[in-house]
Amino acid sequence: NAGVTQTPKFRVLKTGQSMTLLCAQDMNHEYMYWYRQDPGMGLRLIHYSVGEGTTAKGEVPDGYNVSRLKKQNFLLGLESAAPSQTSVYFCASTMGSLAETQYFGPGTRLLVL
Amino acid sequence: AQSVAQPEDQVNVAEGNPLTVKCTYSVSGNPYLFWYVQYPNRGLQFLLKYITGDNLVKGSYGFEAEFNKSQTSFHLKKPSALVSDSALYFCAGYASGGSYIPTFGRGTSLIVHP
Repeated sequence: NAGVTQTPKFRVLKTGQSMTLLCAQDMNHEYMYWYRQDPGMGLRLIHYSVGEGTTAKGEVPDGYNVSRLKKQNFLLGLESAAPSQTSVYFCASTMGSLAETQYFGPGTRLLVL
Repeated sequence: AQSVAQPEDQVNVAEGNPLTVKCTYSVSGNPYLFWYVQYPNRGLQFLLKYITGDNLVKGSYGFEAEFNKSQTSFHLKKPSALVSDSALYFCAGYASGGSYIPTFGRGTSLIVHP
């Protein structure tokens, strides 16, 4: 099993450009999450999904959109990138029971100029 | 509101010495607590968790953590540090009774000196 994978690994965008980050998991997990990690800020939840076709806002959802059209995939979109969105983005997944261990992807490093 | 605090941004320890990375929590009910480790340019990896039962939890790579309800703490420990333990450590918690969203601490950078 590949676990949780993320593409791309690294991307540079200009302000105003758009992009989509892809997260895929092959563990048949129900729940998926998108976090951003910034120095000194820890992990902050952007959006999450409790099942195919469902999404919900996390702590810092502004400027991002998500979709979960297939159970194994969770997409994070930036419609108009801003320098403040320069960060490392992590996807995670869990089976879906309460208080479960999260499985994380390797991260996507995004630089917005 | 629930919160998880890691009071130290960085912990320095000499190789072979015991290490402690601190975590305190404020969650409703009986908490579910986790430790994760992040090596450079990698995602977080699960180390150990406390759900219920024995207050001393043993995890991967020789790490253990002690749940202390009276002090609302869940400190991560290892008897003898290795240089390869140098990484970023995150404490996380869920409130019991129903939560799918963990609260993470800000992380503590552990540096083990040769």
